[in-house]
Amino acid sequence: DTGVSQDPRHKITKRGQNVTFRCDPISEHNRLYWYRQTLGQGPEFLTYFQNEAQLEKSRLLSDRFSAERPKGSFSTLEIQRTEQGDSAMYLCASSLAGTAYTGNTIYFGEGSWLTVV
Amino acid sequence: AQKVTQAQTEISVVEKEDVTLDCVYETRDTTYYLFWYKQPPSGELVFLIRRNSFDEQNEISGRYSWNFQKSTSSFNFTITASQVVDSAVYFCALSEAGGANNLFFGTGTRLTVIP
Repeated sequence: DTGVSQDPRHKITKRGQNVTFRCDPISEHNRLYWYRQTLGQGPEFLTYFQNEAQLEKSRLLSDRFSAERPKGSFSTLEIQRTEQGDSAMYLCASSLAGTAYTGNTIYFGEGSWLTVV
Repeated sequence: AQKVTQAQTEISVVEKEDVTLDCVYETRDTTYYLFWYKQPPSGELVFLIRRNSFDEQNEISGRYSWNFQKSTSSFNFTITASQVVDSAVYFCALSEAGGANNLFFGTGTRLTVIP
């Protein structure tokens, strides 16, 4: 059983450029999440998909951010016109939708570090 | 509103000592879930445990144990006989029933185990 994989692991880009991150979730998981983590902080929720539908977006997800999960499998997170404040680690995670009794356990990938210079 | 507080920013212990990481949470939901994750220097968040709000039984897994007390809204994590490999940042997190079940994280506790 392979875990959540993310690519690239590190990206350095110039301010104003666009970047795209890819996430491959655990194969049988129908939920996929994106989080952002800055130094010294815990991860913060950005958005999540159930299958191919994007069901929730955080207010942190500005108009420059877009996420897709076209076939309910892998997902991409694109940041347009990057700013220095976008420098962070972008974590992808996946889970199976749970019940109110069981909840669900979210499994994370190793993250994609973004540095905007 | 949900909130998770990890008041201990950094802890250092000598190898083989026991250490307890504190977590206090706030939620208005009656059904919720509590988690601990470990983040080693590589960056990956490693799932350690999930607890449902209606199950206050404490849990032990090897050198790890968790104490869940609804009366004080706490979910503390104890490592006994700490090892150098335990050095990492540990995050406590909360999710609520329904919707995205997304996680609300504390700011983490950096544990350093000194050989």
